[in-house]
Amino acid sequence: NAGVTQTPKFQVLKTGQSMTLQCAQDMNHNSMYWYRQDPGMGLRLIYYSASEGTTDKGEVPNGYNVSRLNKREFSLRLESAAPSQTSVYFCASSEALLAGQLSGELFFGEGSRLTVL
Amino acid sequence: DAKTTQPNSMESNEEEPVHLPCNHSTISGTDYIHWYRQLPSQGPEYVIHGLTSNVNNRMASLAIAEDRKSSTLILHRATLRDAAVYYCILRASGSARQLTFGSGTQLTVLP
Repeated sequence: NAGVTQTPKFQVLKTGQSMTLQCAQDMNHNSMYWYRQDPGMGLRLIYYSASEGTTDKGEVPNGYNVSRLNKREFSLRLESAAPSQTSVYFCASSEALLAGQLSGELFFGEGSRLTVL
Repeated sequence: DAKTTQPNSMESNEEEPVHLPCNHSTISGTDYIHWYRQLPSQGPEYVIHGLTSNVNNRMASLAIAEDRKSSTLILHRATLRDAAVYYCILRASGSARQLTFGSGTQLTVLP
């Protein structure tokens, strides 16, 4: 009963390095999301994927790229990390992008804590 | 996009009811009201949601004002495990607008 799994849980990078955060869900959900949370703040949407094969920008997409590898997996890549990207990153999934007939409930992973020096 | 306003923090005594308010005066007719909570060092978890009518589940109750411009999350008997940040969010049904999380309400439960 894993739900949403994120790897790695912790990572330290130097400025300019690249890395990929991995996310996988086992609930057969169509939609997946990447959020970031800075200290004392709420969550801000980076990118989302309404369904397999589609991705769209959220509120704060600059400096990131995403790949919806298949229905289960949605990765977030930092091509050239900057100290401003130090944050906790959360992946989430839901049955559908829109609310309505479905509850639209989001299921979150435990987070990936990234520090960029 | 419609936004929500919540108090930054609230306190409650253990085993007493807690009423967490949320204002959403610009809510549209198709927006669902969702509540999530985030325990320390964890991802947010779903609590409850509703559209127009009051809702109950095993975790909480959601009271929605008749004009839908405000709502209240009710924890019937707060426990120490309920200490968390509570987020009130609007979830659109008619567009691709996404869940936007504000800063939420930090609930402290006193023993």
